[in-house]
Amino acid sequence: GAGVSQSPSNKVTEKGKDVELRCDPISGHTALYWYRQRLGQGLEFLIYFQGNSAPDKSGLPSDRFSAERTGESVSTLTIQRTQQEDSAVYLCASSLFSAMFEQFFGPGTRLTVL
Amino acid sequence: AQTVTQSQPEMSVQEAETVTLSCTYDTSESDYYLFWYKQPPSRQMILVIRQEAYKQQNATENRFSVNFQKAAKSFSLKISDSQLGDAAMYFCAYRSKETSGSRLTFGEGTQLTVNP
Repeated sequence: GAGVSQSPSNKVTEKGKDVELRCDPISGHTALYWYRQRLGQGLEFLIYFQGNSAPDKSGLPSDRFSAERTGESVSTLTIQRTQQEDSAVYLCASSLFSAMFEQFFGPGTRLTVL
Repeated sequence: AQTVTQSQPEMSVQEAETVTLSCTYDTSESDYYLFWYKQPPSRQMILVIRQEAYKQQNATENRFSVNFQKAAKSFSLKISDSQLGDAAMYFCAYRSKETSGSRLTFGEGTQLTVNP
């Protein structure tokens, strides 16, 4: 595709359930990022994948959050035992290599935990 | 750790006029990137303008320009001839040039309203 895609666009879940969010980066982009955006706030870094290197997980807020990426393709962000404070928009971005290149963002997944 | 501060939660401007959005940041690094992103209601983050810290010349992109004051750690965005389509949330962001620090660090955002 032409840009970064994310699915689902919106997700409503009940407290305590697990959710899985998907990100399809731009083809050829080796770097992939997940960010969280709470209502009315800026984006917070969650996790970063670069090629086959070990991911930078330093932004994950708790052990309920995990993410995987297969090679240089799709990534999934999993939140286990969701809490109401997990309600936010989760944005994915990809870029060529890493530091030097622009990050292109997807449209995000809005997660609502009831 | 780097921090980015946007002290104006909301700004408004009349169509065709000029508005300046403020941003300050804190870092101990000497070389880095600074960005302004636009986020309309569609949630899509759009890169507006980028500045490399070692370049003294302020970046410009059509109606958008920045005032980069490295010593003061200030990075403001000026929008000239404002248009209705400029209405959005604007985020200032910092990015280290070190490979390990390639994440973006964002400010809290400024909601810009353009009045017809």
